[in-house]
Amino acid sequence: GESVGLHLPTLSVQEGDNSIINCAYSNSASDYFIWYKQESGKGPQFIIDIRSNMDKRQGQRVTVLLNKTVKHLSLQIAATQPGDSAVYFCAERDGGNQFYFGTGTSLTVIP
Amino acid sequence: EAQVTQNPRYLITVTGKKLTVTCSQNMNHEYMSWYRQDPGLGLRQIYYSMNVEVTDKGDVPEGYKVSRKEKRNFPLILESPSPNQTSLYFCATHGRSGGVIDTQYFGPGTRLTVL
Repeated sequence: GESVGLHLPTLSVQEGDNSIINCAYSNSASDYFIWYKQESGKGPQFIIDIRSNMDKRQGQRVTVLLNKTVKHLSLQIAATQPGDSAVYFCAERDGGNQFYFGTGTSLTVIP
Repeated sequence: EAQVTQNPRYLITVTGKKLTVTCSQNMNHEYMSWYRQDPGLGLRQIYYSMNVEVTDKGDVPEGYKVSRKEKRNFPLILESPSPNQTSLYFCATHGRSGGVIDTQYFGPGTRLTVL
């Protein structure tokens, strides 16, 4: 089966610092990856995605890096704000029609 | 506004009493799916549907049924709920780009407790 994991279950950062959240995956056939943000009591919210033919993709204050060699995915949040406090998790598509999700990293931004 | 709606949002029921959680989307997406979210386990796919009248099992389909009679609706049915189905359930719909599914949009979740 799929194995999508996160290196750290919790992360605390000072407001204004950059945050890096990591994710490892096991399926070399995975071809599409998504990062989600989930706030308490809400559904997962799409942040940014990347396809396997790319190494890096940037959005507004967020960057996703994909290292297919070591099957590693990271989410970088620039100038972290209190509103960024949430659980972040990655998802991979298995090359077909199914998605597999990591368990999440809880990000806490300290004012 | 693109929306995925689920009803009910909260439900407490008893073992064996059939229930249905509805899911509706207004994005005209073909692909829809149901997930359950449990502490320490992340989101796990229950069932998915590639189109009307086309459904497939995900990773944890036991104890669940689905139907897809029309594109916008994808109800999740628990014929005989058991306490191990106590969980937070999410419906999702998926966009399609270049013939493959990609971005997922999630509903707000349904918190189910089976006593």
